[in-house]
Amino acid sequence: EAGVTQFPSHSVIEKGQTVTLRCDPISGHDNLYWYRRVMGKEIKFLLHFVKESKQDESGMPNNRFLAERTGGTYSTLKVQPAELEDSGVYFCASSQLTGVNTEAFFGQGTRLTVV
Amino acid sequence: GEDVEQSLFLSVREGDSSVINCTYTDSSSTYLYWYKQEPGAGLQLLTYIFSNMDMKQDQRLTVLLNKKDKHLSLRIADTQTGDSAIYFCAERSGGYQKVTFGTGTKLQVIP
Repeated sequence: EAGVTQFPSHSVIEKGQTVTLRCDPISGHDNLYWYRRVMGKEIKFLLHFVKESKQDESGMPNNRFLAERTGGTYSTLKVQPAELEDSGVYFCASSQLTGVNTEAFFGQGTRLTVV
Repeated sequence: GEDVEQSLFLSVREGDSSVINCTYTDSSSTYLYWYKQEPGAGLQLLTYIFSNMDMKQDQRLTVLLNKKDKHLSLRIADTQTGDSAIYFCAERSGGYQKVTFGTGTKLQVIP
């Protein structure tokens, strides 16, 4: 069974450009999460989808970030326009909807560098 | 809000035990986790402990929880070079698995 896959693995863009990150969760997982780790700091929650609906987007830093999950399958996270402080590793995770403590499986992350 | 803190770096010799410490602030934490991130890889759940437990052992891993002091530790016995990675402490209090992570501790194992 395929795990959580993220694309691209690395992205280097110039300040002001647009970047779109993609996450394919494990098939059948209704919960999908985005997290971000800025260099040397903690991994911070960005937002949570349940199927195609945004359950919690309290961690989104500002309106330059737009996350979508049309159809409740894969998700995209678009940064437009990118700023230097957006550099970091963006992780996606997915888990089943039901269960007391269903494990969240993480992807390998997308390393974004804004220059 | 929730806050999870860890030391940033730990260096041990191969064969020794490693102890990685973590403190958290949310007294309503239900689950506490240890994740491992190897270079170029994603986050791998190593183990977790319920807040009503004091200890959990899984092969070479021992997790100790002091709920009064909000202190969590991960002990790795007989540390191997393959254990070199970043270890993240994390906690979850609410539903829907919103997890709060620490800064990560980079473990370096010296042969």
